Amino acid sequence: GAVVSQHPSRVICKSGTSVKIECRSLDFQATTMFWYRQFPKQSLMLMATSNEGSKATYEQGVEKDKFLINHASLTLSTLTVTSAHPEDSSFYICSARDQPGRETQYFGPGTRLLVL
Amino acid sequence: AQTVTQSQPEMSVQEAETVTLSCTYDTSENNYYLFWYKQPPSRQMILVIRQEAYKQQNATENRFSVNFQKAAKSFSLKISDSQLGDTAMYFCAFMNPGTASKLTFGTGTRLQVTL
Repeated sequence: GAVVSQHPSRVICKSGTSVKIECRSLDFQATTMFWYRQFPKQSLMLMATSNEGSKATYEQGVEKDKFLINHASLTLSTLTVTSAHPEDSSFYICSARDQPGRETQYFGPGTRLLVL
Repeated sequence: AQTVTQSQPEMSVQEAETVTLSCTYDTSENNYYLFWYKQPPSRQMILVIRQEAYKQQNATENRFSVNFQKAAKSFSLKISDSQLGDTAMYFCAFMNPGTASKLTFGTGTRLQVTL
């Protein structure tokens, strides 16, 4: 149980294009999902908290117009990197909280984004 | 704000031996959760063990156990009978339920299990 998937696993795009990453909870409903960014050999940095049916909450320093988050259902959240640039190249990971009260996050396998 | 400190950037242990990874944290909260996550070369984050702060008993999951010292704000992970598959980055994480369940991660410890 508590499986989270991400798609795509890897994406290469040209500078200036937009890229959408999907995060799905496969066997549970997730009212809250989280998006992280991880640079090589570093820890995870929380970008935003995605709540089903409402606007995402962004961490300080994260541009909400650049990183669009949509959480339209209890099993799907999407992160769109708009007008991507080489500095956006990174490893993006999502997680989902299984249920309030258990307070455990389960992580997707991550998406490696390379912007040329 | 909460902080999580992992003072060991790298550790090495021989197969079948025991190793302890350290983690300390700073918080003024009384109710919180602590986690150890493993990130192998595949980069998939895997939950290893979790501890609720209100529970005095240390959590155990098979070969993995923690030493939770609430007063000292310490949360170390002990891996017994180390296996080659335990080679990974290990992240300690703190969560205060009052902050929308956000996780605060330490900087990680890279564990290498050798033959």
